[in-house]
Amino acid sequence: RKEVEQDPGPFNVPEGATVAFNCTYSNSASQSFFWYRQDCRKEPKLLMSVYSSGNEDGRFTAQLNRASQYISLLIRDSKLSDSATYLCVVPRWNQAGTALIFGKGTTLSVSS
Amino acid sequence: ETGVTQSPTHLIKTRGQQVTLRCSSQSGHNTVSWYQQALGQGPQFIFQYYREEENGRGNFPPRFSGLQFPNYSSELNVNALELDDSALYLCASSLWGQSTDTQYFGPGTRLTVL
Repeated sequence: RKEVEQDPGPFNVPEGATVAFNCTYSNSASQSFFWYRQDCRKEPKLLMSVYSSGNEDGRFTAQLNRASQYISLLIRDSKLSDSATYLCVVPRWNQAGTALIFGKGTTLSVSS
Repeated sequence: ETGVTQSPTHLIKTRGQQVTLRCSSQSGHNTVSWYQQALGQGPQFIFQYYREEENGRGNFPPRFSGLQFPNYSSELNVNALELDDSALYLCASSLWGQSTDTQYFGPGTRLTVL
């Protein structure tokens, strides 16, 4: 099983739609999780951090289910500007430091 | 903007050549991590530098090496370039020991190997 797996996508939705992305992770010891957004040919940018059961920021809600090792990102009232690739990220710690382990990403295209 | 800068923006090399990529971390950050992102994939961890030493390494061969300088900036060196090394190379800066594990990415260097 891969360390981080995401819905393959792409997701094509109209403006105003609600869309949800799923992500599963293999390391049950993981304590923190992130969603990054990446626009075409740009760097990933932190969208949301999740440390407990979930987090909400405006139209974006991230939920965590530790028992199922599953994270989701819900986007409500989609905007054209939400079109991007969404990367699920799980930190991997060792004695030497922290590596961010990325999923492959899910591409969202919002159309008018 | 994150305050993380990388140079050059783009680079074209041929197989067998060597390349050096540079990264300046965000002010106040002492840790730099490097990632490789191939087309259509998520970024993959190469290694991390703290206190001028490599701390943790992903599944990359020894021809990928790095340095960190006293001002926390960093270099990624790749020897004997292969076609599969063509990718976006991202550096990310962070503060060692912070509880949030948040890393902030620079704009990347796009390397093409012909």
